[in-house]
Amino acid sequence: EAGVTQFPSHSVIEKGQTVTLRCDPISGHDNLYWYRRVMGKEIKFLLHFVKESKQDESGMPNNRFLAERTGGTYSTLKVQPAELEDSGVYFCASSQSLAGLHEQYFGPGTRLTVT
Amino acid sequence: GESVGLHLPTLSVQEGDNSIINCAYSNSASDYFIWYKQESGKGPQFIIDIRSNMDKRQGQRVTVLLNKTVKHLSLQIAATQPGDSAVYFCAENTAQNSGAGSYQLTFGKGTKLSVIP
Repeated sequence: EAGVTQFPSHSVIEKGQTVTLRCDPISGHDNLYWYRRVMGKEIKFLLHFVKESKQDESGMPNNRFLAERTGGTYSTLKVQPAELEDSGVYFCASSQSLAGLHEQYFGPGTRLTVT
Repeated sequence: GESVGLHLPTLSVQEGDNSIINCAYSNSASDYFIWYKQESGKGPQFIIDIRSNMDKRQGQRVTVLLNKTVKHLSLQIAATQPGDSAVYFCAENTAQNSGAGSYQLTFGKGTKLSVIP
């Protein structure tokens, strides 16, 4: 079974530009999560999708971040315009569709560098 | 706000010895805990989880202990191997969140485990 995949693995952009990150969850997983780790800090939750709906977006830092999951399969996270403090590693995770908490499987992450 | 933290940022152990990685949490409402292992260039890999109605859970070479009285979580790795070298994170979720359908995890800072051959 394929795991969670993310694209690109690394992105370097200039301040003010736009970047779109993509996540493909494990097939059949309705729950999809975005997390990020900025330098020197803990991994922080951004948001949680159940299928195509945003279940919890309390971790989104500001309106420069837009996450979508049209069709309830893969998800994109767009940062527009990017700022220096957005640099870090963005992780996607997915978990199975059963109700309640279950282990979240993480992708390898996208390392975003804003210069 | 309340958060999950780690006692020791680094831990070095001899190959074959047992490792114990500790984690303190401050949110008494936390009821689900996970240990993750992260190797360089990879995402966090699930190791083992435990719910608050248990105080011990065992996996293959790993054991997680939960002490709710002192809000402490530990991960024990038996017969540590070079392949166990990584950063280990504990993470938690609260019943308040999960009851509302939010499964967000709160992560600690991580402990780097180095295995000496």
